[in-house]
Amino acid sequence: GAVVSQHPSRVICKSGTSVKIECRSLDFQATTMFWYRQFPKQSLMLMATSNEGSKATYEQGVEKDKFLINHASLTLSTLTVTSAHPEDSSFYICSAAGQGYYGYTFGSGTRLTVV
Amino acid sequence: QKEVEKDPGPLSVPEGAIVSLNCTYSNSAFQYFMWYRQYSRKGPELLMYTYSSGNKEDGRFTAQVDKSSKYISLFIRDSQPSDSATYLCAMSGPGNQFYFGTGTSLTVIP
Repeated sequence: GAVVSQHPSRVICKSGTSVKIECRSLDFQATTMFWYRQFPKQSLMLMATSNEGSKATYEQGVEKDKFLINHASLTLSTLTVTSAHPEDSSFYICSAAGQGYYGYTFGSGTRLTVV
Repeated sequence: QKEVEKDPGPLSVPEGAIVSLNCTYSNSAFQYFMWYRQYSRKGPELLMYTYSSGNKEDGRFTAQVDKSSKYISLFIRDSQPSDSATYLCAMSGPGNQFYFGTGTSLTVIP
């Protein structure tokens, strides 16, 4: 149980375009979803926390207009990187927590390369 | 002050060795302690979680929490090449916010 699917696993886009990353909880309802960014050989950096039906809470230093997060249902959250630039190239990972379950489940990650 | 101190540097051990990974932390309010394993270019997967102090064993893995010393450990017995990965400690307390260590890269040499 507690499976989180993240798509796409890898994406290459041109500078200036937008990219959408999806995170789905397959067998449980995720009341809260988290989006992380991870640079090579570094730990996970929390970008934002989203609760279903509410606006996301962004961590300090994360541009909310650049990283748009939508959590419209209990099983789906999306992260859209708008007007992507090469410095946005990174590994993005989502995780989800459901009611009564402690120990967040992570998606498989999305490697974004902006050229 | 960082909530979780930097994990030790990369480890390389021979197959069958006992591996010890650890994290120290500063926030005494942490109550949940977790270890995640992350293979290259994959998302982290939860290995073990422990509430408060004590030991927890699952197969070849043992997690220890010493809240008095603010120190947690993960032991891997009879290490296998398939254990080669990055291991992340994580902890959480009131408010449900997670804090991750930077991770320790483990290589088990056949």
